[in-house]
Amino acid sequence: GAVVSQHPSWVICKSGTSVKIECRSLDFQATTMFWYRQFPKQSLMLMATSNEGSKATYEQGVEKDKFLINHASLTLSTLTVTSAHPEDSSFYICSARDRRGTGGDFEKLFFGSGTQLSVL
Amino acid sequence: SQQGEEDPQALSIQEGENATMNCSYKTSINNLQWYRQNSGRGLVHLILIRSNEREKHSGRLRVTLDTSKKSSSLLITASRAADTASYFCATGTSGSRLTFGEGTQLTVNP
Repeated sequence: GAVVSQHPSWVICKSGTSVKIECRSLDFQATTMFWYRQFPKQSLMLMATSNEGSKATYEQGVEKDKFLINHASLTLSTLTVTSAHPEDSSFYICSARDRRGTGGDFEKLFFGSGTQLSVL
Repeated sequence: SQQGEEDPQALSIQEGENATMNCSYKTSINNLQWYRQNSGRGLVHLILIRSNEREKHSGRLRVTLDTSKKSSSLLITASRAADTASYFCATGTSGSRLTFGEGTQLTVNP
């Protein structure tokens, strides 16, 4: 099956620093990747949709200048949390859609293993 | 906002029993999917059912969809301790993003 690699798995940083999270599709090309934020025991909140070669589409209430998304290739999307603060501490998860999928298979999402961000 | 609402929020059963989780949604959909998430990990796709399907099976999983009631159920038969996880339903329209429900935390006691 399709594999999505997300790195790092966890990161601890000081307030004010920037953190970059990478999301790679290892054995398929992903025209679209999605970034989510998840708080403990809660559902996934979609932050933005990342399309290869174009600007990301952010959900309402998500600051695009704070959460920078770059999707420079068909296999890599990055999320940079700029000037992180303790309230940005959360579990961030990426997912991708396989462009080869047809019908229902195209609708499936393949998820990375997530990144736990802790801002001190 | 989350379209899917799942119940129960938490379910605790004994190994070997069946587990049933329900999901309701509000708008028209193209498909409904179920995902599983182990603690601190990403989600894993379990099964997809299209809006023109009523029931689908995959191994020990059985999913039903009632578009008239805008609801779906996930049945896990003969549960195992390894089935302990959070289960999310997600609704989608063709080519668009998925909207995830609040999830059901399933605990299977050995």
